[in-house]
Formats: sequence, structure tokens, C-alpha cells
Amino acid sequence: GQQVMQIPQYQHVQEGEDFTTYCNSSTTLSNIQWYKQRPGGHPVFLIQLVKSGEVKKQKRLTFQFGEAKKNSSLHITATQTTDVGTYFCAGWFGNEKLTFGTGTRLTIIP
Amino acid sequence: NAGVTQTPKFQVLKTGQSMTLQCAQDMNHNSMYWYRQDPGMGLRLIYYSASEGTTDKGEVPNGYNVSRLNKREFSLRLESAAPSQTSVYFCASKEQVWQGLFFGSGTQLSVL
Repeated sequence: GQQVMQIPQYQHVQEGEDFTTYCNSSTTLSNIQWYKQRPGGHPVFLIQLVKSGEVKKQKRLTFQFGEAKKNSSLHITATQTTDVGTYFCAGWFGNEKLTFGTGTRLTIIP
Repeated sequence: NAGVTQTPKFQVLKTGQSMTLQCAQDMNHNSMYWYRQDPGMGLRLIYYSASEGTTDKGEVPNGYNVSRLNKREFSLRLESAAPSQTSVYFCASKEQVWQGLFFGSGTQLSVL
């Protein structure tokens, strides 16, 4: 079946360190989305990448879509306590089925 | 502007009981979704509705039924609850193809 794998499952970093989570799909994706879920909250849409090799930035967050459109990454520079949460990638299989990765839970050590 | 509203927020059921989770969105979105979230497994799609009057199965539909009552409302029914259905359930919606999903605040369901 269509799967989206994400690593690592957990990441603990000192405040100020960088953080990266990686996402891999079993098949080529038409596009990929990233979501953030704060502890006890609901997922919130961050960004969508569509083009092969695309790179987008949101302040300290950098999102990349692989050349083969089968992998993606999210990099956070100089983490802050507000970055705590679980980050999910998600890929569209067809027009209406959005499949989520297993997520990476980020905790920050002050 | 409420966005996506889910009720109830918490529910405890006994094995074999039935219940309906309600979801309503006020953004005039066409597509609506039900996901369940379990520790270490991310969000798994149960059912979705691409438009009013249509519903389709996702990854884990067994034990669930849905109804797209109108454009605003999409309900999820557990006919005979089982402990394996203990989870957090999220409803979501989007306006157009391949857009980001807007999520409700979730329903935490425990089946004893």
C-alpha cells in the first residue's frame, strides 16, 4: 500500500540547536504537505511543496522536496521552546486521500 | 469564525455500545475527513467525503460508518465499540484539491 515513513520518531535537542526530520514515500508524490501538532492540540497545516527539488522557507523552518518527489525534509534552525510538538509530513495519493507519516516528536531541553 | 467543530470532546464507552461523533465546518469546504490518531502511528484515514453526497473508505474503515448529512456536516458512527477503537479522532476539511486540511480539536474516545 501507499506508505509515508518518517524518521526519527523522537528528537530531543538543546534549545538553540538545529533539528531535522525526514520523510520518505513508497511511491512518487504529486505534492507533499507538512503539519505541526502541539502537545494536546490538533494538526495545523504549515506548507505544501509541489515541484521537484523545491525549497521553501518560513522564518527558521526550511522545507525541501526531493528531486524524485519521493522524499522531503523539514529543518529548523536554532530551535526555540515554541517549536515543541510533533511534525508530520503527508502526501496526496490521488486527489482526495492524504496519507500522513508517523511523525517526529520534538522536545526542547531549555 | 469557528472553523471545524467536533463534539463531544471526550467520551467513554463500554464494549458493544454505539455512538456518533459529530463534525461541522463553516468554511463552505467541499471535502471532509475522519482520521484516528494512535501513539506512534500518526494519523490514519478512516473515511472521507469528497463532496456532499459521496463517501469513500480510507485506510482503516472497519467498524465505522459515516454520513455526509449536508455540505457542513460529516458524522462518524461506531455501531459496536471495541477496545481497539480507543483513540483520538480528528475531523478535517478542505476547500479544493490538494489544499491543506483544517482540523477540529479532536474527540478523545475510550472504550472499556
